[in-house]
Amino acid sequence: QVQLQESGPGLVKPSETLSLTCTVSGGSMTNYYWSWIRQPPGKGLEWIGYIFYTGTAVYNPSLRSRVDISVDTSKNQFSLKVTSVTAADTAVYYCLRHLAVAGPKPFDLWGQGTMVTVSS
Amino acid sequence: EIVLTQSPGTLSLSPGERATLSCRASQTLSSYIAWYQQKPGQAPRLLIYGVSTRATGIPDRFSGSGSGTDFTLTISTLEPEDFAVYYCQEYGSSPRTFGQGTKVEIK
Repeated sequence: QVQLQESGPGLVKPSETLSLTCTVSGGSMTNYYWSWIRQPPGKGLEWIGYIFYTGTAVYNPSLRSRVDISVDTSKNQFSLKVTSVTAADTAVYYCLRHLAVAGPKPFDLWGQGTMVTVSS
Repeated sequence: EIVLTQSPGTLSLSPGERATLSCRASQTLSSYIAWYQQKPGQAPRLLIYGVSTRATGIPDRFSGSGSGTDFTLTISTLEPEDFAVYYCQEYGSSPRTFGQGTKVEIK
């Protein structure tokens, strides 16, 4: 059974870089797309970007200038970096897998989420 | 960017009742609409994709329908575990966008 687990600091200072890693266990990353989504406290869901196992990434235009998603299939991990963070980046961050269907794909497997607070 | 507007914001119903949730898009969409359920403190769970296809393990009391700009999630008979927040999502274009959510609460 494939599982996803986010890891990284729960507190980041303003203007610094938020870094999270998602570890995929129980299965391969090959042939799948992988995304990051965030949810500010009490608010809705915002898609950050996705990456294919080959390393090709696509980002939300609203965050593109500050976001980088990378993948390391040898470690079964993919990672998120958000630079120059502000309080508006405070959120629960989820890593997730796209459903393996032809064409555009919804998100079928989610990590439990990790809370990241931006504060000095 | 496609904007999805869900209504109502909150739906107050009793177990056993039928729930009808609406998702309206800012432009005509293809069939790449999904619905997710989120309970407090949990990650969302995929319920429906491709407008009307149930995800693995989702009971048949959940159904999706719609076309163009108007889409609907129906829960035929509410069970106690169905009280949660529901989000629609468009996943055929970039950026992927979500509606703001409909909370289904116990009346």
